[in-house]
Amino acid sequence: EDKVVQSPLSLVVHEGDTVTLNCSYEVTNFRSLLWYKQEKKAPTFLFMLTSSGIEKKSGRLSSILDKKELFSILNITATQTGDSAVYLCAVTQSSNTGKLIFGQGTTLQVKP
Amino acid sequence: NAGVTQTPKFRILKIGQSMTLQCTQDMNHNYMYWYRQDPGMGLKLIYYSVGAGITDKGEVPNGYNVSRSTTEDFPLRLELAAPSQTSVYFCASSSQGGTGNTIYFGEGSWLTVV
Repeated sequence: EDKVVQSPLSLVVHEGDTVTLNCSYEVTNFRSLLWYKQEKKAPTFLFMLTSSGIEKKSGRLSSILDKKELFSILNITATQTGDSAVYLCAVTQSSNTGKLIFGQGTTLQVKP
Repeated sequence: NAGVTQTPKFRILKIGQSMTLQCTQDMNHNYMYWYRQDPGMGLKLIYYSVGAGITDKGEVPNGYNVSRSTTEDFPLRLELAAPSQTSVYFCASSSQGGTGNTIYFGEGSWLTVV
């Protein structure tokens, strides 16, 4: 059975801390891994990763994929209260339909 | 820019009632999807379509039906609503399927079955 597992499920940090969110996957015919941020509404796209070892970066957020060990991490440095959200990891397969297999999400709370 | 539009935004349904969640996109996308998200969980695929007249089941299709008579519209029908269908429903569309980074989500429909 194809599955995506995220850890931790929830995390509470203080502003300025650095956090690392994990996503592991076991899917047939892996094509890409995506990270989303969700704040009480539709998910917002953050990153798409298809190749191992190539870091994607956007401001204080960065992500990397390890296709050998079947996992990805999302790093957030110098966290702010605005980073409080659910972070979702999702995977697509080479069937080319764009279907997303989601993990259960990590709820991040950043305290002032 | 309308993008993906879902209606209604909120609905309370009684057990056994039926309803249709509407989804329309104005981007001429071939691929459309319906996901549901239960509290504290990720999204799960209900049904998807790769073009007008073509639909297929996702992970959790039981209790739902879809149709795709036009490129723009992808309604989701709930027959005989059950409390287990209380969830947030997201419609999405994509121009090319593929790697997933071209997917646009609607704003969601909050459904409660009592």
